[in-house]
Amino acid sequence: ELKVEQNPLFLSMQEGKNYTIYCNYSTTSDRLYWYRQDPGKSLESLFVLLSNGAVKQEGRLMASLDTKARLSTLHITAAVHDLSATYFCAVNRDDKIIFGKGTRLHILP
Amino acid sequence: DTEVTQTPKHLVMGMTNKKSLKCEQHMGHRAMYWYKQKAKKPPELMFVYSYEKLSINESVPSRFSPECPNSSLLNLHLHALQPEDSALYLCASRRREEGDTEAFFGQGTRLTVV
Repeated sequence: ELKVEQNPLFLSMQEGKNYTIYCNYSTTSDRLYWYRQDPGKSLESLFVLLSNGAVKQEGRLMASLDTKARLSTLHITAAVHDLSATYFCAVNRDDKIIFGKGTRLHILP
Repeated sequence: DTEVTQTPKHLVMGMTNKKSLKCEQHMGHRAMYWYKQKAKKPPELMFVYSYEKLSINESVPSRFSPECPNSSLLNLHLHALQPEDSALYLCASRRREEGDTEAFFGQGTRLTVV
């Protein structure tokens, strides 16, 4: 059974700091997604990672994938208040896209 | 066009009502999904359609009935729901063929069962 674990589940941090969210998954997968969700809204696609060693960056967010360790990270550089949201990783296997529990990120101005 | 359109955006229904949620995409995606999301929880997979055929049913109660009339359209028929079924219902799609990368989500239907 495919399981996806994220940590931390809640993160409160100061503006300007760096931090990393971790996503572990239990079985092999052919792609890993990162999404952002604002309160009351739908899911916004941030990154799709397809292969071992893949790294993608957009602004202050950078995602990486280690398929051997079944681990993805989402790194936040010099956080700003606008990045406050819930971040989900999700893993695809055999047409199932299964989500981690999410990381609620609160950035203090 | 990278849009998945869901209607209605909000729905209030009684426990004896029958209603339907609609999801549409015109990106040529051949996999379409229904998810249920409760507040402060992750999206929970309900159904997957692949090439217009139901490929995954995550043991969803029969009061939820999915339908995929064509490759662009996905419906979720609702009947005799319970208050605990109140949630945000999300539709998603992905290409599932060469060039398959992102899975796109619609804006969701916020359902309240009274």
